[in-house]
Amino acid sequence: EVQLVQSGAEVKKPGESLKISCKGSGYSFTSYWIGWVRQMPGKGLEWMGIIYPGDSDTRYSPSFQGQVTISADKSISTAYLQWSSLKASDTAMYYCAGGGATKVSPADAFDIWGQGTMVTVSS
Amino acid sequence: SYVLTQPPSVSVAPGKTARITCGGNNIGSKSVHWYQQKPGQAPVLVIYYDSDRPSGIPERFSGSNSGNTATLTISRVEAGDEADYYCQVWDSSSDLPWVFGGGTKLTVL
Repeated sequence: EVQLVQSGAEVKKPGESLKISCKGSGYSFTSYWIGWVRQMPGKGLEWMGIIYPGDSDTRYSPSFQGQVTISADKSISTAYLQWSSLKASDTAMYYCAGGGATKVSPADAFDIWGQGTMVTVSS
Repeated sequence: SYVLTQPPSVSVAPGKTARITCGGNNIGSKSVHWYQQKPGQAPVLVIYYDSDRPSGIPERFSGSNSGNTATLTISRVEAGDEADYYCQVWDSSSDLPWVFGGGTKLTVL
């Protein structure tokens, strides 16, 4: 089965670090861009950044550049999103999306989505 | 960066047709994808490349794209279609080329 499976919900305190994961299976993980999408409570979808696991080419939205780090370990078909110092405003649902856009066809749709990881940051 | 504009909400009676628009500068020259997100669930692709349907998506869902507006059309609307809908494009001139619209809440009356 083609799927992206994300790590479980997290509850953290401000200032703590965090790394969440997104594991792909059933398709060629290294051949498709994997994006991270933030959804704050009651709000819309926002692209945070994206990585091409095949060569680790990584792009960030200006809004998130310097705030998070996106990485991937292609040996285990897993992408990561990490924070070094969380803020209360990082409280949100985070989705990974992939399976469509490639280096050759970056405009393709993202047809595989993870189930989401809820991150709550509270003192 | 490229901006996609969607109406915040659209309401429709069951059995009628819903049209959700996505505006952008010369969006007709781009490929538009549409995602449906029901409460508490991850987004699901419902239309890709303007008008193609993934397998498993009902024929009631269709799309078009021309000029400065792309449209998602849902015919014979059912209660189960109530959800948020997002358009998405790839714009090479943007800092991060993958762009979402702000989303439209479809309410079935």
